[in-house]
Amino acid sequence: DGGITQSPKYLFRKEGQNVTLSCEQNLNHDAMYWYRQDPGQGLRLIYYSQIVNDFQKGDIAEGYSVSREKKESFPLTVTSAQKNPTAFYLCASSIRTSEYNEQFFGPGTRLTVL
Amino acid sequence: AQKITQTQPGMFVQEKEAVTLDCTYDTSDQSYGLFWYKQPSSGEMIFLIYQGSYDEQNATEGRYSLNFQKARKSANLVISASQLGDSAMYFCAMIMARGFQKLVFGTGTRLLVSP
Repeated sequence: DGGITQSPKYLFRKEGQNVTLSCEQNLNHDAMYWYRQDPGQGLRLIYYSQIVNDFQKGDIAEGYSVSREKKESFPLTVTSAQKNPTAFYLCASSIRTSEYNEQFFGPGTRLTVL
Repeated sequence: AQKITQTQPGMFVQEKEAVTLDCTYDTSDQSYGLFWYKQPSSGEMIFLIYQGSYDEQNATEGRYSLNFQKARKSANLVISASQLGDSAMYFCAMIMARGFQKLVFGTGTRLLVSP
């Protein structure tokens, strides 16, 4: 079945540690996105990538980094510079960004900093 | 800047009844798209319905319909014949035609469907 997978579902880290969240899609989509969701709030864009080897900062990129070496994969690293990393992280993809194509979302990763 | 406003933090409805979830948006652009997503307690975002700013008819997808009033800048979601499985968070989102197509989300409405 085609879709987006995110791993792990739950992630715990100690303060000061970097952690990488995985996002893989087999939908052959060009564009991929990372969102952060805090309780009682909507989603906010962290980073996005329109093609392989290219990515752009979203609204809240500070303390995060990404890579896009393969079309299928768009991992997100939460660095120790992120002041408040505890949140729910959602990865999404879409066919292209030139039209109003819906974004398909993965199941999310819940990150808790201890 | 684009903004989505959902003024209902929570809504209650009885099974089999219809419910309307409100969404207003703010943009100076003429070309944009509006989405509704459902987020169950498991966390994934499920696409429900889409309305383009130039679409003359209101979008419908099964039990979901979008009441699009362009002059009022509102895009309310109507769920007919509510089911227990409709209990979830519902998010309204907007996408712009110009530049990169970023989705801007509202803060969501929690819908509870009772038997």
